Amino acid sequence: DQQVKQNSPSLSVQEGRISILNCDYTNSMFDYFLWYKKYPAEGPTFLISISSIKDKNEDGRFTVFLNKSAKHLSLHIVPSQPGDSAVYFCAASAGGGSQGNLIFGKGTKLSVKP
Amino acid sequence: KAGVTQTPRYLIKTRGQQVTLSCSPISGHRSVSWYQQTPGQGLQFLFEYFSETQRNKGNFPGRFSGRQFSNSRSEMNVSTLELGDSALYLCASSWDRGSGELFFGEGSRLTVL
Repeated sequence: DQQVKQNSPSLSVQEGRISILNCDYTNSMFDYFLWYKKYPAEGPTFLISISSIKDKNEDGRFTVFLNKSAKHLSLHIVPSQPGDSAVYFCAASAGGGSQGNLIFGKGTKLSVKP
Repeated sequence: KAGVTQTPRYLIKTRGQQVTLSCSPISGHRSVSWYQQTPGQGLQFLFEYFSETQRNKGNFPGRFSGRQFSNSRSEMNVSTLELGDSALYLCASSWDRGSGELFFGEGSRLTVL
């Protein structure tokens, strides 16, 4: 049973446009959510996070939105750049993010075309 | 500041063998987690160690085990290897009670023939 779902395996956008990556979860105990980016042959790197007490968190070009009632979160990248091309993983935690046992989605491969 | 270091980066084993992977966390990080990445399943949590104690465990068979040493370095072991164990094994370290941000190594790519 997949607790964190990223239903789009891939997404292609034009440089300068907005990229929207979606993530759904089923476990209502999750209270902390993170996005990671992964380039080939590298480990994932942390991008941005959000606590369940918030509905939005912004960091530069990256904004994460959380809709708890819908158990849905999304990552917006504006404007998208070719260097953003990578696999993006959504992750969730039931421990306030204090421990290392994150539940990951299967990832969405983003391609940003010049 | 050195990142998370994993060794070996690549290895090939045959079915039935066992393998040990090593992870050196970022200096000062006491929590080390292990994840398995496969094309079909994505990133799956194996276990987490904190202060030499297993704090959390994922849903993997007992053939997968790990330990953490007093210097926070960690090893994971897989015994009686199966073809399905072929994967990228990722180690991550973090501050305790931190933001939930995990710092990942580059992984150990295991191929079982």
